[in-house]
Amino acid sequence: DADVTQTPRNRITKTGKRIMLECSQTKGHDRMYWYRQDPGLGLQLIYYSFDVKDINKGEISDGYSVSRQAQAKFSLSLESAIPNQTALYFCATSDSGGRGQETQYFGPGTRLLVL
Amino acid sequence: KQEVTQIPAALSVPEGENLVLNCSFTDSAIYNLQWFRQDPGKGLTSLLLIQSSQREQTSGRLNASLDKSSGRSTLYIAASQPGDSATYLCAVDQTGANNLFFGTGTRLTVIP
Repeated sequence: DADVTQTPRNRITKTGKRIMLECSQTKGHDRMYWYRQDPGLGLQLIYYSFDVKDINKGEISDGYSVSRQAQAKFSLSLESAIPNQTALYFCATSDSGGRGQETQYFGPGTRLLVL
Repeated sequence: KQEVTQIPAALSVPEGENLVLNCSFTDSAIYNLQWFRQDPGKGLTSLLLIQSSQREQTSGRLNASLDKSSGRSTLYIAASQPGDSATYLCAVDQTGANNLFFGTGTRLTVIP
């Protein structure tokens, strides 16, 4: 089984709808991240969480919210989806070891289309 | 704000060739630089992580170098194989909190 799973893998929604993307991990990592990737662009950090009670905004948090329900679960919500939120969304995890040493492990991605 | 650039955007090589992918970043105050591989329909896979105090890391046919002062890293792939075809992304951690700034990637095609 995959260490980092994302559901759904694909989603089509309409402008104005609220949707939630979910991420689960079995690696036992404290840190979890949400990124989006647009065609021809690199990944951009939306939110990150160092533990259940520590949630931080990334580069592009406007229009998004997150919930860290447990160490293993980190959800991303679009309160009112808009077309420019159409993108590929990735969840990632990492350990909380020494500074500058942690590799991130990525889920397979959720492809979101907002009409 | 840190900006990460990868050149070229796409590269095609015949099988067996050695090749170099380039990554440059604007702010040299980094904790580490990481190289990832992205396959279509899949997530990213970490290949190599170079800490700011290191100059290179090796894993099998892959060798990554880091010149922090000039803001450059290279990923060297020896004896390329069709299975190496993927998009390669570099990313820098500027704060030590593992908040990564990604480049736009180089799409590599190895022709059998």
